[in-house]
Amino acid sequence: DIVVTQSPDSLAVSLGERATINCKSSQSVFNSPNNRNYLAWYQQKPRQPPKLLFYWASTRESGVPDRFSGSGSGTDFTLTISSLQAEDVAVYYCQQYYSNPPAITFGQGTRLEIK
Amino acid sequence: QLQLQESGSGLVKPSETLSLTCTVSGASISSSSYYWGWIRQPPGKELEWIGSISPSGTTYYNPSLKSRLTISVDTSQNQFSLRLTSVTAADTAVYYCARHGLSGTYVRTWFDPWGQGTLATVSS
Repeated sequence: DIVVTQSPDSLAVSLGERATINCKSSQSVFNSPNNRNYLAWYQQKPRQPPKLLFYWASTRESGVPDRFSGSGSGTDFTLTISSLQAEDVAVYYCQQYYSNPPAITFGQGTRLEIK
Repeated sequence: QLQLQESGSGLVKPSETLSLTCTVSGASISSSSYYWGWIRQPPGKELEWIGSISPSGTTYYNPSLKSRLTISVDTSQNQFSLRLTSVTAADTAVYYCARHGLSGTYVRTWFDPWGQGTLATVSS
């Protein structure tokens, strides 16, 4: 299985400041034939299901504010919130879907709080 | 608007079988190429993919659960279901159903949207 590891486990950022969450896969999730990275990002608020933020590593889901951005390729990926808002407090997960036969795995999550 | 709703046994005794159903509304399971999946989250822990199914019944399972797991689809009821046998306390979790993203990679995609989740507790 591809192991996905996020860093840090928790993060406290001041309102209006930048927040950066990292995701590293144990092997590349980049597929050359279609030039895509098989990685998604989710936001989970308390007592709610995860909400999709990005797929193909950097394709923003409809309705996601543009202060959120996804980047990276191969084994190293980043979720960035350019200016933290109070409503961004949540746990963020990355997910790889590259494995074939399918063996989808998630990172352990990063808890984002206000400093 | 597509909605998914989990239902089923909330309390299961150790060694017995956990059964859950996901009812889909706002879209027909049988009229699309989307795959449908189950994901679980033990209290305070990370997400774990359980398995996924196509409208025609093609299944993919998490290798760690495969020997105990059956996922099925009932297109007439617009539902898909999960059966997990020989449960232990380690199977206590919130169980979510979700739709896979649409791509030529079929089940090798993201999940969106998700149901609200249902807590299944394994305890005597």
